Amino acid sequence: SYELTQPPSVSVSPGQTASITCSGAKLGDYYVCWYQQKPSQSPVLVIYQDSKRPSGIPERFSGSNSGNTATLTISGTQALDEADYFCQAWDTSSAVFGGGTKLTVL
Amino acid sequence: QVQLQESGPGLVKPSETLSLTCTVSGGSISNHYWSWIRQPPGKGLEWIGQIYYSGNTNYNPSLKSRVTILVDTSKNQFSLKLSSVTAADTAVYYCARQTCSNCWFDPWGQGTLVTVSS
Repeated sequence: SYELTQPPSVSVSPGQTASITCSGAKLGDYYVCWYQQKPSQSPVLVIYQDSKRPSGIPERFSGSNSGNTATLTISGTQALDEADYFCQAWDTSSAVFGGGTKLTVL
Repeated sequence: QVQLQESGPGLVKPSETLSLTCTVSGGSISNHYWSWIRQPPGKGLEWIGQIYYSGNTNYNPSLKSRVTILVDTSKNQFSLKLSSVTAADTAVYYCARQTCSNCWFDPWGQGTLVTVSS
């Protein structure tokens, strides 16, 4: 079965740029989405189709996908961006999620 | 603004069947795909399966033998049944909408915790 791998944790200082990676075999051939989940809340879509932002998601969130790695980039990271982030793709009609990355803003 | 709300028992005994319903409000269940996703406490997300409003389904191969997802368009609801549950099925269960079969999940319901215990 297809697997997506994320680093368990990423730390960033306020105002700096955070990059969260998601790796999988030939991932660039798939569309990748990203979800933000804050404690005790449901996941929220922040990026779809590799780099598109849903309405209401701040411009500081961006995404890219090439080769074997997709990247979620948060520019000018704010304290309220501290959360878990999950990547997701579809493989042969099954949705696959990465294990999640805890973003700490300190 | 479409909203989703999960409902069902919060406690299920081992070997029994877990049953949940997702009620869609603020929009029609027609012309969309609808999925169930779960998250064990402190862990990651696992897709369970999806249903189109017409009734066509697609399940996670790892759960396929135990999962049934149904839709009731008259009530704007869809449901999940997971049979022969064990403690490993303890999780927060979310329902979510998709615009197409391999599209993103948006929005999500608030989730409901189901504990499997005797």
